[in-house]
Amino acid sequence: AQTVTQSQPEMSVQEAETVTLSCTYDTSESDYYLFWYKQPPSRQMILVIRQEAYKQQNATENRFSVNFQKAAKSFSLKISDSQLGDAAMYFCAYRSYPGGGSNYKLTFGKGTLLTVNP
Amino acid sequence: GAGVSQSPRYKVAKRGQDVALRCDPISGHVSLFWYQQALGQGPEFLTYFQNEAQLDKSGLPSDRFFAERPEGSVSTLKIQRTQQEDSAVYLCASSLSGTGKNQPQHFGDGTRLSIL
Repeated sequence: AQTVTQSQPEMSVQEAETVTLSCTYDTSESDYYLFWYKQPPSRQMILVIRQEAYKQQNATENRFSVNFQKAAKSFSLKISDSQLGDAAMYFCAYRSYPGGGSNYKLTFGKGTLLTVNP
Repeated sequence: GAGVSQSPRYKVAKRGQDVALRCDPISGHVSLFWYQQALGQGPEFLTYFQNEAQLDKSGLPSDRFFAERPEGSVSTLKIQRTQQEDSAVYLCASSLSGTGKNQPQHFGDGTRLSIL
């Protein structure tokens, strides 16, 4: 079974600064997907960024980028130019690659609460 | 609708009562997932549907939990004889296809269930 570990329960950053959230995972699979989701107090999980394990290039979405280290099984999220609206709970998640019997369920870490200080 | 809709948004029940939580996925989405999120934790998988077929229910914590999606669209998660440990946020997610290579899951706002 896959596991996802987020070792930082809480992080804080000054507005306009950069912050990195850590995530490690454990799997025996060679192909898979990794995701970062944001969950504000409204509770809706919002997809921030995703990475396919077979792609060596790190994914980037505007101010959000990842550092994917497949051998180390590490998948950190970097938020540049932090904004007040970035404050939320951030979850790292793993999903198996589609194949026979796979149900595509997400396995989540416990989350990191990000505070953005003005 | 434009997104995944869940109702009710909040549900309070007394221990021992039965509850039913509803999920209305995005129109045309084949796959539907239920997750349970305890306070301060990440969501945990409960069950998965592809159309009306429940293909995986390995995450359901006990036989008091039951889910259905009879016509392949709206799904209901039912919890019988509720216990205090059932208190959590129940999230529903849908995706366009269960076989698509990289179909993202779209989440609803969840139902916060409190058992007194």
